[in-house]
Amino acid sequence: QVTLKESGPVLVKPTETLTLTCTVSGFSLSNDRMGVSWIRQPPGKALEWLAHIFSNDEKSYSSSLRTRLTITRDTSKSQVVLTMTNMDPVDTATYYCARLKDWYFDLWGRGTLVSVSS
Amino acid sequence: EIVLTQSPATLSLSPGETATLSCRASQTVYGYLAWFQQKPGQPPRLLIYDASKRATGIPARFSGSGSGTDLTLTISSLEPEDFAVYYCQQRRSWPPTFGQGTKVEIK
Repeated sequence: QVTLKESGPVLVKPTETLTLTCTVSGFSLSNDRMGVSWIRQPPGKALEWLAHIFSNDEKSYSSSLRTRLTITRDTSKSQVVLTMTNMDPVDTATYYCARLKDWYFDLWGRGTLVSVSS
Repeated sequence: EIVLTQSPATLSLSPGETATLSCRASQTVYGYLAWFQQKPGQPPRLLIYDASKRATGIPARFSGSGSGTDLTLTISSLEPEDFAVYYCQQRRSWPPTFGQGTKVEIK
């Protein structure tokens, strides 16, 4: 069974760094046709793509958030990690990791709601 | 990056009716477009890819059409479980972008 599961803090303070982990099962992060993205959704709002890691370990970031994001992976643990620095209340959102297979997001984790508040 | 504009923002329909959702792109996406369904508290679910291909397990009442800059998702004979928010997403160029969503609500 193919699954993705996000984990991380539910609450962070402004200016802190957020670290989220996506643990995948049922497929390999090194598979040529696949990669993993992080996508977020503020409450009641639309989806926003943040970052992606390809099967060859190449990374890509949202141009508007590039300076704050880092995506890495640990293939031995089947994990993809996203860090976002200098968190602000406007970053309050549900953060999803999603598998990109043949260039479409075919599977998503259930998401993790992160609130930013002092 | 390619901007996707969905219309209408909200569609009020009764079960059994047909829903027609539009996704307009700021430049051509050819047929490289997907549609997702999202219910409250759940992640998006892939319905349609490559504009008109149904994902695994998606009922035949969901169909996608169009190419270029104007694409459409049609839901024939709405079932109660179809009332949700629908997003389009393009993969014509990187980065992938999403529309702002269309909510299909019960009239």
